[in-house]
Amino acid sequence: QKEVEQDPGPLSVPEGAIVSLNCTYSNSAFQYFMWYRQYSRKGPELLMYTYSSGNKEDGRFTAQVDKSSKYISLFIRDSQPSDSATYLCATEIQGAQKLVFGQGTRLTINP
Amino acid sequence: EAGVAQSPRYKIIEKRQSVAFWCNPISGHATLYWYQQILGQGPKLLIQFQNNGVVDDSQLPKDRFSAERLKGVDSTLKIQPAKLEDSAVYLCASSLDLGNEQFFGPGTRLTVL
Repeated sequence: QKEVEQDPGPLSVPEGAIVSLNCTYSNSAFQYFMWYRQYSRKGPELLMYTYSSGNKEDGRFTAQVDKSSKYISLFIRDSQPSDSATYLCATEIQGAQKLVFGQGTRLTINP
Repeated sequence: EAGVAQSPRYKIIEKRQSVAFWCNPISGHATLYWYQQILGQGPKLLIQFQNNGVVDDSQLPKDRFSAERLKGVDSTLKIQPAKLEDSAVYLCASSLDLGNEQFFGPGTRLTVL
């Protein structure tokens, strides 16, 4: 079993739709949770970072963590074609200084 | 502020050949990471440096992969000899210090034939 599981998609939605991306993890020692966005032929860039259970909002993006069920989500409101990318969830054990990534979900927003 | 630089961007080699990748981190960043990203998968950490010392190389296949960070700035990752399964994007990242946000370079796409 992979430490972090993520549905690879691909996921295709119309412009303006609400997008939901999800990951599950198996190790309860994971304490930090991140979402990275990776455009084609580019390196990943940090989109959202959260530590505690609950929601964290940044513009059109909301990251949600449920530690009791080991489930993390990213919601994108009013999706735009420029949001088309691969979204990677990542987790980290406090003090381990080591990111563990999910396999990424490829998202396409159709105009 | 300049980002993480990597070269070459693309490399095609035959199996059993050798290859080297170069990374120049963001100026002042003490921590440098090399990741392997196989098509359709997330990045996997190969090795992590703090200045010129190795912090974690537990997932580096040491029989064929080697990396160094002389003088605590630039780094090179070498594969010798390459196998077909080494075909991947090799990403370099750097952070100001351990535990800080990682900034990724564009990667080197390696194809082993």
